[in-house]
Amino acid sequence: QKEVEQDPGPLSVPEGAIVSLNCTYSNSAFQYFMWYRQYSRKGPELLMYTYSSGNKEDGRFTAQVDKSSKYISLFIRDSQPSDSATYLCAMTIDSGSARQLTFGSGTQLTVLP
Amino acid sequence: DSGVTQTPKHLITATGQRVTLRCSPRSGDLSVYWYQQSLDQGLQFLIQYYNGEERAKGNILERFSAQQFPDLHSELNLSSLELGDSALYFCASSATSYNEQFFGPGTRLTVL
Repeated sequence: QKEVEQDPGPLSVPEGAIVSLNCTYSNSAFQYFMWYRQYSRKGPELLMYTYSSGNKEDGRFTAQVDKSSKYISLFIRDSQPSDSATYLCAMTIDSGSARQLTFGSGTQLTVLP
Repeated sequence: DSGVTQTPKHLITATGQRVTLRCSPRSGDLSVYWYQQSLDQGLQFLIQYYNGEERAKGNILERFSAQQFPDLHSELNLSSLELGDSALYFCASSATSYNEQFFGPGTRLTVL
């Protein structure tokens, strides 16, 4: 079983829809949670970073963490065709200055005009 | 543009060969990370350097090695290449918030 599970999709929604992307994890030691967006054949781009249970909002994006359920989500409001990309969740443990991100497999999202 | 640069963009080589991938971190970032992305394994952490010293190691093969130089750029050396090493190799860098890692555009390696 992988440490981080993510539904690969593909997910297709109409423009303006609310998108929900999710990851579950098995390692209770994970403390920090990130969401990356990756356009085809490009480097991942950091969207959101959270470290506690609860919600964090940034523009049209909301990241939600539920440590008790080992479940994280990313919500995209008013989705746009430019949001079409692969979304990767990532998480890590606090080991001082040592860090390794463990990624989900990514969810491919298409927003249709 | 994340500010992280990687060269070359593409690399095509043959099995058994050795290649070197280069990464320049964002200005001022002391940490450099290497990741491999393949279709079957996804994005996997290889190794981290912090100010010239190895700080964390992931699933990096013994045929692979890396180093970070005094000017903070890093190189990933891949030797005795196999077909299965074909992948995208990303470098990322971070400042003191080690969780906020900024990725470069990647090097696409094709082993024939």
